[in-house]
Amino acid sequence: DADVTQTPRNRITKTGKRIMLECSQTKGHDRMYWYRQDPGLGLRLIYYSFDVKDINKGEISDGYSVSRQAQAKFSLSLESAIPNQTALYFCATSDAGFYNEQFFGPGTRLTVL
Amino acid sequence: AQSVAQPEDQVNVAEGNPLTVKCTYSVSGNPYLFWYVQYPNRGLQFLLKYITGDNLVKGSYGFEAEFNKSQTSFHLKKPSALVSDSALYFCAVRDIYEKSSGDKLTFGTGTRLAVRP
Repeated sequence: DADVTQTPRNRITKTGKRIMLECSQTKGHDRMYWYRQDPGLGLRLIYYSFDVKDINKGEISDGYSVSRQAQAKFSLSLESAIPNQTALYFCATSDAGFYNEQFFGPGTRLTVL
Repeated sequence: AQSVAQPEDQVNVAEGNPLTVKCTYSVSGNPYLFWYVQYPNRGLQFLLKYITGDNLVKGSYGFEAEFNKSQTSFHLKKPSALVSDSALYFCAVRDIYEKSSGDKLTFGTGTRLAVRP
């Protein structure tokens, strides 16, 4: 969905480096999410934010941190990258409400050597 | 806790034939169910959802899904497959009574659909 953008699209880094993945949206949604996708495991939630002041851990938050700089921006950081954080990372947004679907960015492919 | 299972890693079908991608779910209360499709090098795209009402839900690109509460299933279907339907398909569930989980979606592991000409 072009309304949700992620930078960078691809990144190769080394173990121990700090990495930031950025997500921006123009959909005007309050809720934003970070997922990682691994083959055979589907998507797993890392962090989610219901608004700028409301940030929550997901099921696999260890080793990650996030920052919600504005309604439209949600960044994911790996403070000290390790090889098992090699994955495809997706940002998503949604309107409030349990019945609303999420809209996904194009993903960032991260490789940690 | 909410969970979803996609029992088939891959589904193979000939173009023009009907296709089914299976999904079963587990929730404490009533579910909201979603199907997403992922094309190569792309993010997930929303296909359709079940919230309440008619058990047969119609979505994008000619896809539909049938909600079956007794079998806790939400299978994705299409009457006539196209080669361009080849992609990775994800089922997702949200338990509307699971307040502690916020509005998180739980995704299945995905099913790869391969449509041969």
